[in-house]
Amino acid sequence: GAGVSQSPSNKVTEKGKDVELRCDPISGHTALYWYRQSLGQGLEFLIYFQGNSAPDKSGLPSDRFSAERTGGSVSTLTIQRTQQEDSAVYLCASSPRGTSGAGELFFGEGSRLTVL
Amino acid sequence: GENVEQHPSTLSVQEGDSAVIKCTYSDSASNYFPWYKQELGKGPQLIIDIRSNVGEKKDQRIAVTLNKTAKHFSLHITETQPEDSAVYFCAEITGGGNKLTFGTGTQLKVEL
Repeated sequence: GAGVSQSPSNKVTEKGKDVELRCDPISGHTALYWYRQSLGQGLEFLIYFQGNSAPDKSGLPSDRFSAERTGGSVSTLTIQRTQQEDSAVYLCASSPRGTSGAGELFFGEGSRLTVL
Repeated sequence: GENVEQHPSTLSVQEGDSAVIKCTYSDSASNYFPWYKQELGKGPQLIIDIRSNVGEKKDQRIAVTLNKTAKHFSLHITETQPEDSAVYFCAEITGGGNKLTFGTGTQLKVEL
Protein backbone atom coordinates (compact mmCIF):
# COMPACT_ATOMS: atom_id res chain seq x y z
CA GLY A 1 0.00 0.00 0.00
CA ALA A 2 2.68 2.45 -0.99
CA GLY A 3 1.93 6.12 -1.25
CA VAL A 4 3.80 8.62 -3.38
CA SER A 5 7.51 8.06 -2.98
CA GLN A 6 10.14 10.73 -3.59
CA SER A 7 13.90 10.54 -3.67
CA PRO A 8 16.24 11.77 -2.48
CA SER A 9 14.61 13.09 0.67
CA ASN A 10 17.46 15.55 1.08
CA LYS A 11 19.93 16.88 -1.46
CA VAL A 12 22.72 19.37 -0.89
CA THR A 13 24.48 20.60 -3.99
CA GLU A 14 26.81 23.33 -5.09
CA LYS A 15 25.69 26.25 -7.17
CA GLY A 16 25.96 25.46 -10.85
CA LYS A 17 25.51 21.70 -10.51
CA ASP A 18 22.60 19.78 -12.03
CA VAL A 19 20.18 17.81 -9.86
CA GLU A 20 17.54 15.19 -10.52
CA LEU A 21 14.59 14.54 -8.26
CA ARG A 22 12.52 11.40 -8.63
CA CYS A 23 8.85 10.70 -7.99
CA ASP A 24 7.08 7.33 -7.91
CA PRO A 25 3.34 7.98 -7.96
CA ILE A 26 0.64 5.73 -6.59
CA SER A 27 0.07 2.85 -8.97
CA GLY A 28 -2.78 3.51 -11.36
CA HIS A 29 -2.86 7.26 -10.86
CA THR A 30 -2.91 8.97 -14.22
CA ALA A 31 -2.17 12.50 -13.08
CA LEU A 32 1.14 13.65 -11.62
CA TYR A 33 2.10 17.09 -10.32
CA TRP A 34 5.24 18.84 -9.16
CA TYR A 35 5.00 21.72 -6.69
CA ARG A 36 7.71 23.78 -5.02
CA GLN A 37 7.52 24.96 -1.42
CA SER A 38 9.99 27.61 -0.34
CA LEU A 39 10.58 28.35 3.33
CA GLY A 40 7.47 29.86 4.84
CA GLN A 41 5.76 30.02 1.47
CA GLY A 42 2.82 28.29 -0.11
CA LEU A 43 2.85 25.64 -2.76
CA GLU A 44 3.97 26.86 -6.16
CA PHE A 45 2.75 24.82 -9.14
CA LEU A 46 5.50 23.70 -11.50
CA ILE A 47 4.22 21.09 -13.96
CA TYR A 48 1.34 18.67 -14.51
CA PHE A 49 1.20 15.37 -16.41
CA GLN A 50 -2.08 13.67 -17.35
CA GLY A 51 -1.98 10.35 -19.14
CA ASN A 52 -0.51 10.67 -22.62
CA SER A 53 -1.45 14.33 -23.01
CA ALA A 54 1.15 17.04 -23.43
CA PRO A 55 2.23 18.23 -19.98
CA ASP A 56 1.21 21.60 -18.60
CA LYS A 57 4.57 23.30 -18.06
CA SER A 58 3.18 26.73 -17.31
CA GLY A 59 4.62 26.84 -13.78
CA LEU A 60 8.24 26.08 -14.57
CA PRO A 61 10.19 29.18 -13.44
CA SER A 62 12.92 29.06 -16.07
CA ASP A 63 14.37 26.92 -18.85
CA ARG A 64 16.76 25.42 -16.32
CA PHE A 65 13.82 23.37 -15.06
CA SER A 66 12.47 20.37 -16.93
CA ALA A 67 10.52 17.25 -16.11
CA GLU A 68 9.58 14.05 -17.78
CA ARG A 69 7.34 11.15 -17.02
CA THR A 70 8.30 7.80 -18.47
CA GLY A 71 5.76 5.12 -19.23
CA GLY A 72 3.04 7.08 -17.53
CA SER A 73 4.51 6.33 -14.13
CA VAL A 74 7.81 7.55 -12.67
CA SER A 75 8.67 11.21 -13.09
CA THR A 76 11.98 13.04 -12.87
CA LEU A 77 12.35 16.76 -12.24
CA THR A 78 15.69 18.10 -13.44
CA ILE A 79 17.20 21.43 -12.45
CA GLN A 80 20.24 22.48 -14.44
CA ARG A 81 22.89 24.92 -13.27
CA THR A 82 21.29 25.23 -9.85
CA GLN A 83 21.07 28.61 -8.17
CA GLN A 84 20.68 29.42 -4.48
CA GLU A 85 17.11 30.56 -5.06
CA ASP A 86 16.27 27.03 -6.19
CA SER A 87 16.61 25.90 -2.57
CA ALA A 88 13.20 24.59 -1.53
CA VAL A 89 11.17 21.47 -0.89
CA TYR A 90 9.99 19.91 -4.12
CA LEU A 91 6.72 18.07 -3.68
CA CYS A 92 5.26 15.51 -6.02
CA ALA A 93 1.60 14.52 -6.00
CA SER A 94 -0.51 12.05 -7.92
CA SER A 95 -4.22 11.80 -8.50
CA PRO A 96 -6.49 9.13 -9.93
CA ARG A 97 -7.95 11.36 -12.59
CA GLY A 98 -6.51 14.84 -12.33
CA THR A 99 -8.07 17.87 -10.75
CA SER A 100 -10.26 18.53 -13.76
CA GLY A 101 -12.46 16.08 -11.95
CA ALA A 102 -11.76 17.85 -8.65
CA GLY A 103 -9.96 14.80 -7.34
CA GLU A 104 -7.78 14.52 -4.27
CA LEU A 105 -4.05 15.01 -4.64
CA PHE A 106 -1.85 12.54 -2.77
CA PHE A 107 1.48 14.13 -1.90
CA GLY A 108 4.84 12.59 -1.23
CA GLU A 109 7.00 13.80 1.63
CA GLY A 110 9.09 15.94 -0.67
CA SER A 111 12.71 16.35 -1.65
CA ARG A 112 14.49 19.09 0.24
CA LEU A 113 17.04 20.78 -2.02
CA THR A 114 19.75 23.03 -0.62
CA VAL A 115 21.99 24.89 -3.03
CA LEU A 116 25.16 26.22 -1.44
CA GLY B 1 -5.87 35.25 -13.06
CA GLU B 2 -5.70 32.69 -10.30
CA ASN B 3 -4.95 34.11 -6.88
CA VAL B 4 -5.78 32.88 -3.39
CA GLU B 5 -5.22 35.01 -0.32
CA GLN B 6 -5.10 33.25 3.03
CA HIS B 7 -5.30 34.72 6.54
CA PRO B 8 -3.98 34.62 9.14
CA SER B 9 -0.45 33.40 8.45
CA THR B 10 -0.12 32.22 12.06
CA LEU B 11 -2.78 31.34 14.59
CA SER B 12 -2.37 30.29 18.20
CA VAL B 13 -5.31 28.97 20.21
CA GLN B 14 -5.85 27.23 23.51
CA GLU B 15 -6.80 23.60 23.47
CA GLY B 16 -10.56 23.28 23.21
CA ASP B 17 -11.05 26.63 21.52
CA SER B 18 -12.13 27.08 17.92
CA ALA B 19 -9.89 28.11 15.03
CA VAL B 20 -10.96 29.84 11.84
CA ILE B 21 -8.86 30.32 8.71
CA LYS B 22 -10.11 32.39 5.78
CA CYS B 23 -9.29 32.46 2.10
CA THR B 24 -10.32 34.78 -0.69
CA TYR B 25 -10.19 33.95 -4.36
CA SER B 26 -10.46 36.10 -7.45
CA ASP B 27 -11.75 33.87 -10.25
CA SER B 28 -15.53 33.68 -10.30
CA ALA B 29 -15.25 30.46 -12.33
CA SER B 30 -13.60 28.62 -9.43
CA ASN B 31 -15.71 25.64 -8.46
CA TYR B 32 -13.73 23.44 -6.11
CA PHE B 33 -12.16 24.42 -2.81
CA PRO B 34 -10.12 21.90 -0.82
CA TRP B 35 -8.22 22.31 2.42
CA TYR B 36 -4.94 20.52 3.06
CA LYS B 37 -3.11 19.91 6.32
CA GLN B 38 0.67 19.63 6.36
CA GLU B 39 2.41 18.22 9.38
CA LEU B 40 6.11 18.81 9.95
CA GLY B 41 8.24 16.86 7.49
CA LYS B 42 5.23 15.48 5.64
CA GLY B 43 3.43 16.28 2.44
CA PRO B 44 0.05 18.04 2.55
CA GLN B 45 -3.00 15.85 3.07
CA LEU B 46 -6.59 16.61 2.10
CA ILE B 47 -8.84 17.08 5.12
CA ILE B 48 -12.03 18.49 3.63
CA ASP B 49 -13.28 20.00 0.40
CA ILE B 50 -16.34 21.82 -0.90
CA ARG B 51 -17.79 22.39 -4.33
CA SER B 52 -19.37 25.58 -5.55
CA ASN B 53 -22.93 24.27 -5.43
CA VAL B 54 -22.75 23.82 -1.64
CA GLY B 55 -22.55 26.49 1.06
CA GLU B 56 -21.27 24.42 3.94
CA LYS B 57 -19.81 21.01 4.64
CA LYS B 58 -18.98 19.44 7.95
CA ASP B 59 -16.92 16.44 8.99
CA GLN B 60 -16.73 15.87 12.72
CA ARG B 61 -14.74 18.76 14.21
CA ILE B 62 -13.95 20.46 10.92
CA ALA B 63 -16.22 22.40 8.63
CA VAL B 64 -15.82 24.54 5.54
CA THR B 65 -18.11 27.38 4.48
CA LEU B 66 -18.27 28.99 1.06
CA ASN B 67 -19.58 32.43 0.13
CA LYS B 68 -19.57 32.62 -3.65
CA THR B 69 -20.87 36.18 -3.76
CA ALA B 70 -18.01 37.44 -1.65
CA LYS B 71 -15.57 34.89 -3.14
CA HIS B 72 -14.30 33.62 0.14
CA PHE B 73 -14.27 30.34 2.00
CA SER B 74 -13.28 29.41 5.51
CA LEU B 75 -12.07 26.45 7.53
CA HIS B 76 -13.50 26.01 11.00
CA ILE B 77 -11.96 23.66 13.55
CA THR B 78 -13.86 23.21 16.80
CA GLU B 79 -12.64 21.73 20.09
CA THR B 80 -9.04 22.03 18.93
CA GLN B 81 -6.53 19.45 20.08
CA PRO B 82 -2.70 19.49 20.10
CA GLU B 83 -2.64 17.14 17.10
CA ASP B 84 -4.41 19.83 15.09
CA SER B 85 -1.16 21.83 15.18
CA ALA B 86 0.08 21.99 11.59
CA VAL B 87 0.16 24.21 8.52
CA TYR B 88 -3.16 24.47 6.73
CA PHE B 89 -3.49 25.40 3.06
CA CYS B 90 -6.59 26.41 1.16
CA ALA B 91 -6.73 25.89 -2.57
CA GLU B 92 -8.95 26.45 -5.56
CA ILE B 93 -9.43 25.11 -9.03
CA THR B 94 -11.22 26.89 -11.83
CA GLY B 95 -13.78 25.27 -14.05
CA GLY B 96 -12.09 23.01 -16.54
CA GLY B 97 -8.77 23.61 -14.90
CA ASN B 98 -6.32 20.92 -14.07
CA LYS B 99 -4.19 22.33 -11.31
CA LEU B 100 -4.76 23.56 -7.79
CA THR B 101 -3.69 27.05 -6.79
CA PHE B 102 -2.75 27.11 -3.11
CA GLY B 103 -2.88 29.84 -0.52
CA THR B 104 0.25 30.78 1.41
CA GLY B 105 -0.65 28.66 4.42
CA THR B 106 -1.59 29.17 8.07
CA GLN B 107 0.60 27.85 10.87
CA LEU B 108 -1.84 26.71 13.56
CA LYS B 109 -0.53 26.08 17.06
CA VAL B 110 -2.80 24.56 19.67
CA GLU B 111 -1.46 25.22 23.13
CA LEU B 112 -2.16 23.12 26.18
